[in-house]
Amino acid sequence: SYVVTQPPSVSEAPGETARLTCGGNNIGGKSVHWYQQKPGQAPVLVIYYDSDRPSGIPERFSGSNSGNTATLTISRVEAGDEADYYCQVWDSSSHNLVFGGGTRLTVL
Amino acid sequence: QVTLKESGPVLVKPTETLTLTCTVSGFSLTNARMSVTWIRQPPGKALEWLAHVFSNDEKSYSTSLKSRLIISRDTSKSQVVLNMTNVDPLDTATYYCARILNGVLVDFWGHGTLVTVSS
Repeated sequence: SYVVTQPPSVSEAPGETARLTCGGNNIGGKSVHWYQQKPGQAPVLVIYYDSDRPSGIPERFSGSNSGNTATLTISRVEAGDEADYYCQVWDSSSHNLVFGGGTRLTVL
Repeated sequence: QVTLKESGPVLVKPTETLTLTCTVSGFSLTNARMSVTWIRQPPGKALEWLAHVFSNDEKSYSTSLKSRLIISRDTSKSQVVLNMTNVDPLDTATYYCARILNGVLVDFWGHGTLVTVSS
């Protein structure tokens, strides 16, 4: 079945731009969705269909998807952005929802 | 207001069957754009999708776990039930019930329920 790969960790200083990647074979041909999960909480959708933002999510969060990599970009990183981030796709061949292994964003 | 609430045992013995119930409100289980899914997360580990039931009662299961899972729904009670047979300590996890939009993304999550498998 389809596999998506995320780096285990990313660190950025406050005010900088964090780029979290999600890799998969021709992932650009799929829709990618991103979730933020803070400790002890359920995940929250932050980007859907590659680059759309749900209401209530700051404009600092943006997404892109092309080729073999999808990217979640968080501009002007804040301490409150520190969390685990998961990418997710729908694998139409196996009819499975597929999550990446998650990336922990640390704000230095 | 959309809500999903998980209920079920906190502790299950190995080899037993785990039954979890998700009670939803704020939307209908027969809405064509929406379905309900179960996702789990072992302590300190990543999210793992398990199964979901679509508005037309079609089911979809994780390839790796489908031999152990049965998902069903009761539209009159607005509930979705997940049964997992022959549980193992490796099944210890927080189990989330969530709403799937257009069959492809999760837009609302329950709070999750921690299930421990231990003798």
